[in-house]
Amino acid sequence: EPEVTQTPSHQVTQMGQEVILRCVPISNHLYFYWYRQILGQKVEFLVSFYNNEISEKSEIFDDQFSVERPDGSNFTLKIRSTKLEDSAMYFCASRETQGGYNEQFFGPGTRLTVL
Amino acid sequence: AQSVSQHNHHVILSEAASLELGCNYSYGGTVNLFWYVQYPGQHLQLLLKYFSGDPLVKGIKGFEAEFIKSKFSFNLRKPSVQWSDTAEYFCAVNAAGFQKLVFGTGTRLLVSP
Repeated sequence: EPEVTQTPSHQVTQMGQEVILRCVPISNHLYFYWYRQILGQKVEFLVSFYNNEISEKSEIFDDQFSVERPDGSNFTLKIRSTKLEDSAMYFCASRETQGGYNEQFFGPGTRLTVL
Repeated sequence: AQSVSQHNHHVILSEAASLELGCNYSYGGTVNLFWYVQYPGQHLQLLLKYFSGDPLVKGIKGFEAEFIKSKFSFNLRKPSVQWSDTAEYFCAVNAAGFQKLVFGTGTRLLVSP
């Protein structure tokens, strides 16, 4: 069964460093998403991406965040200058669309620790 | 703004007990509703979904949920839980016209053998 994959599974970085989290969505899916879950808190939406542009974003997704689909398979989340409060589990998701809404399929997550 | 409330943060049951996890949402328009499950060490998996039609939806592993529009609720049920149902359960809402899923805080279910 096709699944969303994410790399790395764990990332440790120093405050102020740039990180890139990578995702490979399911191959025939057209919508891509990033969510995050700070320890002990809710899963929060960050951004959705469709047709090579951001289709929706939350207040969390400020100028230090960016997303990109550099090729036909990868979908990346870049955090330019990490802060301590960026420590969280980051989930990628993808969705197929056939004219209506379908469910989102989630990857296993990348645990980001900012020191 | 959309929001989702899950009233039970931790639930402990014995095997064969019945389960009901509450989920309420706030949004006045059309919604799609989901329950996701996260087994220990695994990623979020879809348990069941409601888009339209019969408000009683059946999912995998014997789970079902009922959408009660008047109560803005989408409670998850299972008549007889198993030890393997130990997991965290998340209710989520997608409002029509929006891309995002809005999640509840999750309910940790522990089923003792």
